[in-house]
Amino acid sequence: GAGVSQSPSNKVTEKGKDVELRCDPISGHTALYWYRQSLGQGLEFLIYFQGNSAPDKSGLPSDRFSAERTGGSVSTLTIQRTQQEDSAVYLCASSFAGGAYEQYFGPGTRLTVT
Amino acid sequence: LAKTTQPISMDSYEGQEVNITCSHNNIATNDYITWYQQFPSQGPRFIIQGYKTKVTNEVASLFIPADRKSSTLSLPRVSLSDTAVYYCLVGADSSNTGKLIFGQGTTLQVKP
Repeated sequence: GAGVSQSPSNKVTEKGKDVELRCDPISGHTALYWYRQSLGQGLEFLIYFQGNSAPDKSGLPSDRFSAERTGGSVSTLTIQRTQQEDSAVYLCASSFAGGAYEQYFGPGTRLTVT
Repeated sequence: LAKTTQPISMDSYEGQEVNITCSHNNIATNDYITWYQQFPSQGPRFIIQGYKTKVTNEVASLFIPADRKSSTLSLPRVSLSDTAVYYCLVGADSSNTGKLIFGQGTTLQVKP
């Protein structure tokens, strides 16, 4: 079947604008993760959805960041009032379940804030 | 969540065996050890996972001592295409409700 898809692949926005990043996980996967990766850095955990449980938002860097997952499937990461330091690749991953199950990553969205 | 420590970078030459060790001193009883590989401009991909002793697949081997406070990813006869960042993850339990968090990883540079 299809893997994890993300859109857009690239997004250039002006400082102060809001952006929405989309993730389509693998069908049937109950767990969904969002990560951020700045150039040359490791992955920074942002938020984790598992089934119908309340999302783990402990990695969100500020209240400008929010995410939702509708119907246990598609997820949207929203960044309000973007700042230049938000520029990074945003990666989404899904897994059959949480915990030690293998995470399947999407191709990422490269966000550039000018 | 168990904290992991691994070298920031390693260099090797084609054809050599590469061993990357990860320390995880406060690993919990139910934790698994998972390694991922990330190529430039791509998301990470799963390589191997283990709980104890040794696990081998077509890509790598994972050695875990009895105390499980460390693990070693072994890549046999590396090639230039093995140049990547390798991440060691520990902290998710088998109840499948926890999250797995990536650290900084080890950048492996394979030279001709």
